[in-house]
Amino acid sequence: NAGVTQTPKFRILKIGQSMTLQCTQDMNHNYMYWYRQDPGMGLKLIYYSVGAGITDKGEVPNGYNVSRSTTEDFPLRLELAAPSQTSVYFCASSLSGGAPDTQYFGPGTRLTVL
Amino acid sequence: LAKTTQPISMDSYEGQEVNITCSHNNIATNDYITWYQQFPSQGPRFIIQGYKTKVTNEVASLFIPADRKSSTLSLPRVSLSDTAVYYCLVGAGPWGKLQFGAGTQVVVTP
Repeated sequence: NAGVTQTPKFRILKIGQSMTLQCTQDMNHNYMYWYRQDPGMGLKLIYYSVGAGITDKGEVPNGYNVSRSTTEDFPLRLELAAPSQTSVYFCASSLSGGAPDTQYFGPGTRLTVL
Repeated sequence: LAKTTQPISMDSYEGQEVNITCSHNNIATNDYITWYQQFPSQGPRFIIQGYKTKVTNEVASLFIPADRKSSTLSLPRVSLSDTAVYYCLVGAGPWGKLQFGAGTQVVVTP
């Protein structure tokens, strides 16, 4: 299994541009998550999904949108990019929603907005 | 949700044992204790999880006292490659509600 994959690895955007961060998992997990991590900080949840067609906001959803049309994919859309969205974005998945299960994280996308 | 407190940083030499204690005074009956490891420019990676007493795997050990108000992650004979940030998460879920704090930066030197 490849686990959780994310593309692209790096991206530079200009203010006002938009883009989609891709996330795919091949573990048939129901739950998927998007986090952002600012330098020296922990992860903050942006959006999560409990299954295809079902998404919900996390702690910091403003400026982002998500969709979940399949079990495998959970893209994150940035509209009108702002410098405050400069961060590293991690996608994660889990079979169930909590312990004793665990989350599996992707390698991340480093985004810079100039 | 259980609030956790762990040291900001720890230094160690190669070959030593590193013990990181996480305090979680308001842990609930159903809560588990989960530790993740994060290397620079990588996503967090699950290390170990426990509910009570002691759990050991090929990477680490997790010691949980009877009152469960704290837990200790033990990394035996660390190497340079164990330099990373270690996060303690306490809860039963949902995962999205559990807080990744700033973690503990462990630096291993020769």
